[in-house]
This record gives sequence, C-alpha cells and structure tokens, in this order.
Amino acid sequence: GAGVSQSPSNKVTEKGKDVELRCDPISGHTALYWYRQSLGQGLEFLIYFQGNSAPDKSGLPSDRFSAERTGGSVSTLTIQRTQQEDSAVYLCASSFFGAQETQYFGPGTRLLVL
Amino acid sequence: QQQVKQSPQSLIVQKGGISIINCAYENTAFDYFPWYQQFPGKGPALLIAIRPDVSEKKEGRFTISFNKSAKQFSLHIMDSQPGDSATYFCAASFSLNKFYFGSGTKLNVKP
Repeated sequence: GAGVSQSPSNKVTEKGKDVELRCDPISGHTALYWYRQSLGQGLEFLIYFQGNSAPDKSGLPSDRFSAERTGGSVSTLTIQRTQQEDSAVYLCASSFFGAQETQYFGPGTRLLVL
Repeated sequence: QQQVKQSPQSLIVQKGGISIINCAYENTAFDYFPWYQQFPGKGPALLIAIRPDVSEKKEGRFTISFNKSAKQFSLHIMDSQPGDSATYFCAASFSLNKFYFGSGTKLNVKP
C-alpha cells in the first residue's frame, strides 16, 4: 500500500513569504506527527495530532508556525513570514492509534528560505 | 536542553566489523527507546526498539543494549555491511505522543 506522502518535495521561498506543507498519512492512521530536521541535526518534534485534535503543540517554535488536520487525514503545516532559520527538511510521520511505537515517515519537504 | 545525547557524530567501520552507537538520556520517565535508520533523501525508518524492562534486544544483526541505572542505551550492528551505511538516530518517549531524537550518527561501512 501507499506510504506517507508529502508535498511539495522541495520548496524555495523568499524571506517573509508564507508557505504550506502538506502531509498525506497512511490510510487509517489516526496519529500524525510533524518534525523538523535541520542540516546535520536530529529530528525536532513540532506537533502531534490524534485524529483532528492536537493534544501536543509544544514543539512549534513560534506563533508563525501552525498546523491543522482535517477529516482525520491530511495535515497542513503553515509557516508565516518565513525566516532563513526556517530552512530545513520538514518530516511527517503517521501511526495507528494504539500502535504508536511504529511511526512511518514520509520523505520530507526540503524548505529553503532565501 | 537536549533530552537525548548521541555519539559519535560519525563512524567508519570496515565490512564485517561491529558498529556501536551510544545514546544517553536524562528523563527517567522515558519508557520507550527506538532506533531509526535514514538513507539520503528518505525519511527515517524504525529499525529496532526496546522498553526499559529488558537489558538487551536482538533482531538479526542489530542489538540494543540498555543500561537503566546509567541511563544509557546503545545500538550494535554486527557483521556491518556497506548497505548499512546510513544515518542512525536514537530516540526516547514516555507517552508515544512526543519523541525526542538524538542528533544522529553517520555510519560509513567500507568494503
């Protein structure tokens, strides 16, 4: 079956512009996670969804970052007024509720802010 | 504050050798410790994981050793192969709602 997909795969934007990153989880997966991976760094937790609700938003770095999930499926991560330090790979992962030990990651969106 | 510290940053091993990657954590509430393997241009993939009620878990050539008192855990790759060349991340969680990742180890297995 299809894995986690993310779009776009690459995004180049200018400082100050808004960007939207999309994640399509594996069908039936109710848990969804967003992470940020800066060059040469580990994964930084951003937000966790269970269904459409986000019980843990503690990792969002600033109020310029927001995320939503609709229909218990697709999720969008929005970064407003992008800054150069936002440049990173944004990874999405999903898992079954009750089996969240196993996260399945998408290939990521590589964001470059000029 | 980094919740999970990983070392070394990079590792070169000869084919057939043993690769060892170490992680240390601070939060004693962590109760799940996975290792992920990531190839360039791909997302991480779960490799093996352990709970703190056991000291060792083995799956094929991959073994996790866990030392609860020292708050350390390590990944051992036996008979390392060039195909194992990748970046490896350790992680820790106590709720499965949030995972803390180490900074990664880039492994290069030379033929």
